[in-house]
Amino acid sequence: QQPVQSPQAVILREGEDAVINCSSSKALYSVHWYRQKHGEAPVFLMILLKGGEQKGHEKISASFNEKKQQSSLYLTASQLSYSGTYFCGNYSGAGSYQLTFGKGTKLSVIP
Amino acid sequence: GAVVSQHPSRVICKSGTSVKIECRSLDFQATTMFWYRQFPKQSLMLMATSNEGSKATYEQGVEKDKFLINHASLTLSTLTVTSAHPEDSSFYICSARGRTSYNSPLHFGNGTRLTVT
Repeated sequence: QQPVQSPQAVILREGEDAVINCSSSKALYSVHWYRQKHGEAPVFLMILLKGGEQKGHEKISASFNEKKQQSSLYLTASQLSYSGTYFCGNYSGAGSYQLTFGKGTKLSVIP
Repeated sequence: GAVVSQHPSRVICKSGTSVKIECRSLDFQATTMFWYRQFPKQSLMLMATSNEGSKATYEQGVEKDKFLINHASLTLSTLTVTSAHPEDSSFYICSARGRTSYNSPLHFGNGTRLTVT
């Protein structure tokens, strides 16, 4: 079951904040976040495993609400280097270790 | 650490020929490797999962006779696109995982841009 991401795209000026949401209709065992720049491979950002867990990577952090079956990625004081497409991925079933990715959120940070 | 090397990065081939793409984990042993396909501005679509020494598991709609996957060792998996056609043109990305668990990240290769003429 493919997780649903929102928004599909967002444009920010340097220094502004953004939130990207990821939700699933099925129970989430963990949520992975990756960033992909144009023409490149996705780069791992973080994994959230426990419900309510929050993690951080530079000025990028994320939360995981197990009950609501959703995760949010928070980008604060955005930098030009944050531009790219952000994908969330989840393992949607017990014993299933195949990561299913959402459709992605394209983030563009402009000067 | 956790480097995955994928070759070639770009390939152009004629319709009807076969193309082999290699995916290597350079500094860890990959118990599982995944092959994804990505169309422009779209998400990563899982094609197949391969475990070392066993047959690959293909996702629904992916022709296993067309996309041959071999995972010969804990550091190497190959994807062969047989009898390629223009509709097979896409960005193919492999990923590898060292441990089978929900908190084990995927490490991606740099992808292969396949163009079939």
